[in-house]
Amino acid sequence: DAGITQSPRHKVTETGTPVTLRCHQTENHRYMYWYRQDPGHGLRLIHYSYGVKDTDKGEVSDGYSVSRSKTEDFLLTLESATSSQTSVYFCAISPQIGGGRGEKLFFGSGTQLSVL
Amino acid sequence: RKEVEQDPGPFNVPEGATVAFNCTYSNSASQSFFWYRQDCRKEPKLLMSVYSSGNEDGRFTAQLNRASQYISLLIRDSKLSDSATYLCVLRMYNNNDMRFGAGTRLTVKP
Repeated sequence: DAGITQSPRHKVTETGTPVTLRCHQTENHRYMYWYRQDPGHGLRLIHYSYGVKDTDKGEVSDGYSVSRSKTEDFLLTLESATSSQTSVYFCAISPQIGGGRGEKLFFGSGTQLSVL
Repeated sequence: RKEVEQDPGPFNVPEGATVAFNCTYSNSASQSFFWYRQDCRKEPKLLMSVYSSGNEDGRFTAQLNRASQYISLLIRDSKLSDSATYLCVLRMYNNNDMRFGAGTRLTVKP
């Protein structure tokens, strides 16, 4: 299995508080992603990174920010958590995109976040 | 219309059965296609990529029909361990992210 660690695995927080989720990889992959998974919606991309300090918005980026200061770490921050951000958050990494047999996503184990 | 649509199921089949799932997509610029498998409360894992000519991996066969904009997954000789949710995934040309269907749930029963 790819070396991806997400922390924390579970978190309960209150509306309005800041929350940071961490994704750490040991594979030295260039691409890192944050997804959220909600019933009936499938996984939706929040933000992704294509290198250190290079990030871009995904489909559902409002209310989230990210940072990548090192190849191995990708942080997701909810500046002021809302109940609509209660979800399961998955980090993913990929060695390449654009076709070819290296184009695949490896996922972390997920973080269950509950915002009360 | 959702970009990627799947029948949520559940599909309940006996061991040894053959089962097929379809997934339709709306954007004809979709370039790469995949099936991922997700067990309950676990992370998704790549099952197989889907190539234009169709491809097989053991009991699993994937097909792509660009004209009708769908991909399919066929599972032969179903095992209890095949019970999972199967996610249809695609990436569009010149796009850095993958788009996921909501998944089709399969339960294989003894």
